[in-house]
Amino acid sequence: NAGVMQNPRHLVRRRGQEARLRCSPMKGHSHVYWYRQLPEEGLKFMVYLQKENIIDESGMPKERFSAEFPKEGPSILRIQQVVRGDSAAYFCASSPGHLSSYNSPLHFGNGTRLTVT
Amino acid sequence: KNQVEQSPQSLIILEGKNCTLQCNYTVSPFSNLRWYKQDTGRGPVSLTIMTFSENTKSNGRYTATLDADTKQSSLHITASQLSDSASYICVVSGMDSSYKLIFGSGTRLLVRP
Repeated sequence: NAGVMQNPRHLVRRRGQEARLRCSPMKGHSHVYWYRQLPEEGLKFMVYLQKENIIDESGMPKERFSAEFPKEGPSILRIQQVVRGDSAAYFCASSPGHLSSYNSPLHFGNGTRLTVT
Repeated sequence: KNQVEQSPQSLIILEGKNCTLQCNYTVSPFSNLRWYKQDTGRGPVSLTIMTFSENTKSNGRYTATLDADTKQSSLHITASQLSDSASYICVVSGMDSSYKLIFGSGTRLLVRP
C-alpha cells in the first residue's frame, strides 16, 4: 500500500525555466493538497484539488503557478519562468475525504526540493 | 489573524528522558489539531488528531493534550529514543476552509545518547 508519491525528489532549474512537480496520492484518495515550505518556516497552503477540479487555489500565486489533477495520472504543480524565490520544498498531501471530517487522515509525500540557480 | 506558535524552537535531551512540547493557537472557530513528526528531508507523518471535545490522545510513547478554552496543546514524549530526533509540528484546522491547515514552525528535537 504505497503512500503519497512525489517526484522528482530534487529538481534544479535555472531562472526562467519551467518546473513540473508530480504527485500520486494514496490509493483511494481523491483529495490532493499542495504546500510549500521555506527553510525554518511552517508549511503554507497553496492549492486544494479533487479529481479534475480545483477547489481552492487561493494560496498559490496567480502568475506563473498552476495545478491540475486529471482524471487519469498524477497531480501536477507547474511553475513557469522560475525565480530564485521559488526555491523551497513542495509537499503534496492526500486524504480520502474532506478535511472537515475531524478524523480524516492527511498523508504527506516526501516532497520535491526545488532549487533555482 | 490565525496563527500557531510552538515552543521551544529547539530542544536537546538525553536518550531515555521525557519531554513536553508546547503549541498555542489563535485559530477560531476551531475544528481540530494535529501533531506531526517530520524527519529531515522527509514529509510530515501524523502522530495524533484531536477535536475540541477531546482532552488527550495517545499514540505509543506520544501523548497529546488539548485545552480548547485556553487554545493550548502539548505533546509529551516518554522514554525518548534516538529515532525521536526530528521536528514536531502542530497543525490547526479551523471550521472555515478546514483544508487550509495552519502549520506551526515546529520544535526541533535532538535526542543524544
